[in-house]
Amino acid sequence: DSGVTQTPKHLITATGQRVTLRCSPRSGDLSVYWYQQSLDQGLQFLIQYYNGEERAKGNILERFSAQQFPDLHSELNLSSLELGDSALYFCASSASRSGTEAFFGQGTRLTVV
Amino acid sequence: EDQVTQSPEALRLQEGESSSLNCSYTVSGLRGLFWYRQDPGKGPEFLFTLYSAGEEKEKERLKATLTKKESFLHITAPKPEDSATYLCAVQPDYKLSFGAGTTVTVRA
Repeated sequence: DSGVTQTPKHLITATGQRVTLRCSPRSGDLSVYWYQQSLDQGLQFLIQYYNGEERAKGNILERFSAQQFPDLHSELNLSSLELGDSALYFCASSASRSGTEAFFGQGTRLTVV
Repeated sequence: EDQVTQSPEALRLQEGESSSLNCSYTVSGLRGLFWYRQDPGKGPEFLFTLYSAGEEKEKERLKATLTKKESFLHITAPKPEDSATYLCAVQPDYKLSFGAGTTVTVRA
């Protein structure tokens, strides 16, 4: 167990809908990363937050947004969902902004039908 | 642009047959190189962090090494339970960039 908790584990929703994925980082970790992993693709970096502030942005669509709250948990919001958004979404946390290992949650499997 | 390339894409080994995985990288400045193991449908599991050329880390049958342009993950006398996808990641700044991974299958 990495100590990173993601909910829900599975999510099935229809095209056009909006969903929220939640991540609780390891105790004491200030940095949260979000990644997308599709069937035939590697881990695609979406966004990073450090102590409530956005620190780095990757290939995140405008339909997607994220935030990190004062208690350090993070949420990834996906809207106007398309079939191609079906993927595993992972959250990871680390103690610092960079240079230290990140620990991953077990992911949320999103299926858009 | 930062690049991480892992080879081979797939590796099939007989139990006990040692081998090495390669991770070559191009980054503007390296704050860390990380190795992870990922089982199907699961989150990546952290294995090692390497910070500077010449550094080596070991854990059970795995050993990671780092040079200025690449890292190797050596698997010594693998067992079927070592079957997984092994991912390499670099962190030049805040973003953690992953390679596509090497899928290792160890047959008994």
